[in-house]
Amino acid sequence: GNSVTQMEGPVTLSEEAFLTINCTYTATGYPSLFWYVQYPGEGLQLLLKATKADDKGSNKGFEATYRKETTSFHLEKGSVQVSDSAVYFCALINREDTGFQKLVFGTGTRLLVSP
Amino acid sequence: DAGVIQSPRHEVTEMGQEVTLRCKPISGHNSLFWYRQTMMRGLELLIYFNNNVPIDDSGMPEDRFSAKMPNASFSTLKIQPSEPRDSAVYFCASSTGDPPNEQFFGPGTRLTVL
Repeated sequence: GNSVTQMEGPVTLSEEAFLTINCTYTATGYPSLFWYVQYPGEGLQLLLKATKADDKGSNKGFEATYRKETTSFHLEKGSVQVSDSAVYFCALINREDTGFQKLVFGTGTRLLVSP
Repeated sequence: DAGVIQSPRHEVTEMGQEVTLRCKPISGHNSLFWYRQTMMRGLELLIYFNNNVPIDDSGMPEDRFSAKMPNASFSTLKIQPSEPRDSAVYFCASSTGDPPNEQFFGPGTRLTVL
């Protein structure tokens, strides 16, 4: 089946530190991969996506590269800010398997950035 | 542009009562999703509609849960009777077309069943 595995949180960093949140997936074929962010008290927002191998998604200083050889989609940011404190979800859609747009989420990783 | 609208934002009810959650998707979106989020189980897809038709309801926990989409601009998720273990945040999301596109999430309804 399809699954997404994320690193356990919380991840605690100081402002301007480098961020990596690991994400690996299991899926047949070529899923589309996503990172969503959830700020406190809000719904999820799409942060970035990649739809094929070697694609790099980027937004707001965050980046992630679709690595099919390692089935990974790690999220990175060079210099985090306090305002980046949130829960980050890695997710995939595998239409080959399910035939529709079912998002499969990881468990989420909480990021805490201190001044 | 208005995003996905959910109501109510918070609901507190007593065990055994009927609860109805409401969702208005983004205009023009033809797919609608209901999710449940808890600390223990994370995010779970409950049901998915495409063009107002339920496509997959395999995530609906049990017969106490039902969802409808009478038209393209409105959906409901009903729990009857409610139980304390139904306490969670319920999200509605909508999206459009092929290939798999971004799902836009509403702010959620926080349900507490006492």
